[in-house]
Amino acid sequence: SQELEQSPQSLIVQEGKNLTINCTSSKTLYGLYWYKQKYGEGLIFLMMLQKGGEEKSHEKITAKLDEKKQQSSLHITASQPSHAGIYLCGASNSGGSNYKLTFGKGTLLTVNP
Amino acid sequence: DGGITQSPKYLFRKEGQNVTLSCEQNLNHDAMYWYRQDPGQGLRLIYYSQIVNDFQKGDIAEGYSVSREKKESFPLTVTSAQKNPTAFYLCASSIKGTIQPQHFGDGTRLSIL
Repeated sequence: SQELEQSPQSLIVQEGKNLTINCTSSKTLYGLYWYKQKYGEGLIFLMMLQKGGEEKSHEKITAKLDEKKQQSSLHITASQPSHAGIYLCGASNSGGSNYKLTFGKGTLLTVNP
Repeated sequence: DGGITQSPKYLFRKEGQNVTLSCEQNLNHDAMYWYRQDPGQGLRLIYYSQIVNDFQKGDIAEGYSVSREKKESFPLTVTSAQKNPTAFYLCASSIKGTIQPQHFGDGTRLSIL
């Protein structure tokens, strides 16, 4: 079965700093989803990547999928306290279909003002 | 607004008691999912359903049961056979058989009295 490893497990940054979170898969990624979660709440969908080399941006968050489709990175530029939370990557186990996703354990981001 | 509603937000279970967590969606999604989240761990799939009156076991189905009598509803019962039920439970839904992302409810936190 597919396993997703996220790094780092936790991250503390000063407001305004850039940061990167990585998600590495044991198998080829056919669909990679990034979510954000605030403690005690549900997951908010951020972005989905499908093609090798693909890059997507939303406001100050950029996600990339490498050419070999086994690693994705999430980059936040000029971090703000509103970026704080848990970031999770999820991947399809089923050749691109959206059921039976496997999730990483998450990266806890703290942004100090 | 369309979305997924989970209730209750907090639930307490006594020894030997079955409890049912509610999940309702008005997104017209065919597929629905139940996940369990424990501290420091990713989401683990309990059950999923891709169509009314049909559902499949996920990775940790033991001690849980579900039903899917209506497209909008996918209740989860935590039975007395589940010996370690304390966790955060998340319900999700998606368009079936595509790469479109799963959308999540706000979760139910279950604790043992």
